[in-house]
Order: sequence, then C-alpha cells, then structure tokens
Amino acid sequence: AQKITQTQPGMFVQEKEAVTLDCTYDTSDQSYGLFWYKQPSSGEMIFLIYQGSYDEQNATEGRYSLNFQKARKSANLVISASQLGDSAMYFCAMREGRDDKIIFGKGTRLHILP
Amino acid sequence: EPEVTQTPSHQVTQMGQEVILRCVPISNHLYFYWYRQILGQKVEFLVSFYNNEISEKSEIFDDQFSVERPDGSNFTLKIRSTKLEDSAMYFCASRRQRGEDNEQFFGPGTRLTVL
Repeated sequence: AQKITQTQPGMFVQEKEAVTLDCTYDTSDQSYGLFWYKQPSSGEMIFLIYQGSYDEQNATEGRYSLNFQKARKSANLVISASQLGDSAMYFCAMREGRDDKIIFGKGTRLHILP
Repeated sequence: EPEVTQTPSHQVTQMGQEVILRCVPISNHLYFYWYRQILGQKVEFLVSFYNNEISEKSEIFDDQFSVERPDGSNFTLKIRSTKLEDSAMYFCASRRQRGEDNEQFFGPGTRLTVL
C-alpha cells in the first residue's frame, strides 16, 4: 500500500500566484517526519522543508510552508508568490524505520507560467 | 557548507558489466543510504548502512548489489552484472544521527545508463 500519496501528477500555475501541492501519508508510527523535496530538470534533490510529527506549529522556510493536518494525515506544501524558477518536480516524503529511510511519493510536476 | 558528493555524474556501461558508483558522505555523518530513481518515476530506497554494515535493504537490493565503506570516507554501491532495468539515477544520502530534525542530505546523483 502506498504510504505517500500525491494526487496531482501535474499543475500549471500563473507566476506570482500561490500554489498548494497535496500530500497525504499513511503510518502507524507515533513519531515520524515529513519532507518536501524539489527536483529541477537537472536532477538533483533539493531539500525544502521538514515537519516533525510532534511539531505543533506548521513548518515555514521562506516562501515555503507546510500545512500539516495530523488528524487528516496530510502535509500539503504551500509556495507563496510563485516564481518561474519554481518549475520542477516536487516530492513529498516521510522518514520511517529504525534507520529513518525516506519513502517518497510519486511527485507533482509544477509548471509556472509567465 | 558541507555536502554529499557523488562520482561519476554519468556512467554508461554495457549490459553484464560491473559498475561501482562512488559517494563521499558528509564527514561527521553516521548513516548512509542509496536510493534510485528510474526515469520519470519516484525515488526508491535501496539500502541503509550504519556502523559498517547494512542496516536495512529493500527488495530491490538483491544479490547483484553490494555496498561498502572501504576507507572511512567513501561509500560505494556496486552492481555486479548490470541489466537494462538498472538504468536510473542513483542518489547517495547521509545523515548525522537518527531522530527529529536530522535532515538527510542527498548527493547530486549518478545517472547510470545500461546499454
């Protein structure tokens, strides 16, 4: 069964608009962590933001914020004031297991339109 | 800022050949990982390595794969006899320790093409 679900395979957004990328997760662990990574066309994985399961506040990093709704098991990424350089693949991910390996979703390809 | 490095950036090999992908994790990190991403698909966990031994491996990580930390700095992934379906981007990652707020740092990846 999928542990990380990203239901939007692709999105087109006008520059300067805010965008929300959806992510739901499934775990029975009490302690877990959720990540968002950006993968541009060059292929590298760029860490964007992290949310711990015990964090009461939603994580924020500059233009990125994570809308964490624990009861609904969702961890949506919000990008404010989108820029052309935000065009990329975005992966939601969760750490699990005794070695905190990362399980990734299938990703959402975001296209920012000028 | 310290970073994970990987070499080569791109490797082309013939089916059946052995390849070794190299990674230099961040120096004070204790946990090391390999992931792969087949073109257009999601990133998949292969193996984790801690205290000089494999800690966990996925079903993908069969007998064709092995990992090693030969000299205390490099962390290698060996594929003994490559198959066409091994063509993918391979990412190395490391983290300092387990638990909250311990980010896993990814290298830039090695793109492996098996012909």
